[in-house]
Amino acid sequence: DIQMTQSPSTLSASVGDRVTITCRASQSVSNWLAWYQQKPGKAPNLLIYKASILESGVPPRFSGSGSGTEFTLTISSLQPDDFAAYYCQQYNSYPWTFGQGTKVEIK
Amino acid sequence: QGQLVQSGGEVKKPGAAVKVSCKTSNYTFTDYGISWVRQAPGQGLEWMGWISPYNGNTNYAQKVQGRITMTTDTSTSTAYMELRSLTSDDTAVYYCARDWGATNGMDVWGQGTTITVSS
Repeated sequence: DIQMTQSPSTLSASVGDRVTITCRASQSVSNWLAWYQQKPGKAPNLLIYKASILESGVPPRFSGSGSGTEFTLTISSLQPDDFAAYYCQQYNSYPWTFGQGTKVEIK
Repeated sequence: QGQLVQSGGEVKKPGAAVKVSCKTSNYTFTDYGISWVRQAPGQGLEWMGWISPYNGNTNYAQKVQGRITMTTDTSTSTAYMELRSLTSDDTAVYYCARDWGATNGMDVWGQGTTITVSS
């Protein structure tokens, strides 16, 4: 199985900050990488797929980059609605696997 | 945009089975796969498996292989996930999600179904 490792596990930031979350794969997943946002008590919400393509309706302050084994999710200017957990997920090969998650907290 | 509506939460005893439904609407059911993902309390997301409503092909996570069965009913555009021999480790929120397969990720999710396993 491909292991996905996110860092950091928790991130404290202020409104307006630029935030970057890293996701590393144990082997290459090409660009078959998605990012999800999850708020407490809610289902995950797809933000980015194919490593860098913004899902329809997602604000452009979110961006994704990377390929192979290293990926990043960047929020250019953190907004109050962005405080949540973020997960990366590879879909290069079964079983699909998720990172352990990054919780973005208010500083 | 598609919609997925799941069945309600259940409490089960250890050793029992549970079957969760996921009724889809507003898209062609057989054009996309369905994945099931669970989340134990305070934990991350765990992919359990995938089914193609088009041909019934499945792919299950090793961890639940042998205890899980995913099925679909194309007449009602509904997917089902049955998990047997439940233990307390299966206590979680279970989600179904529309899965584009190896292209666009999981873009539409159900609201989640809480399954509690307790004696």
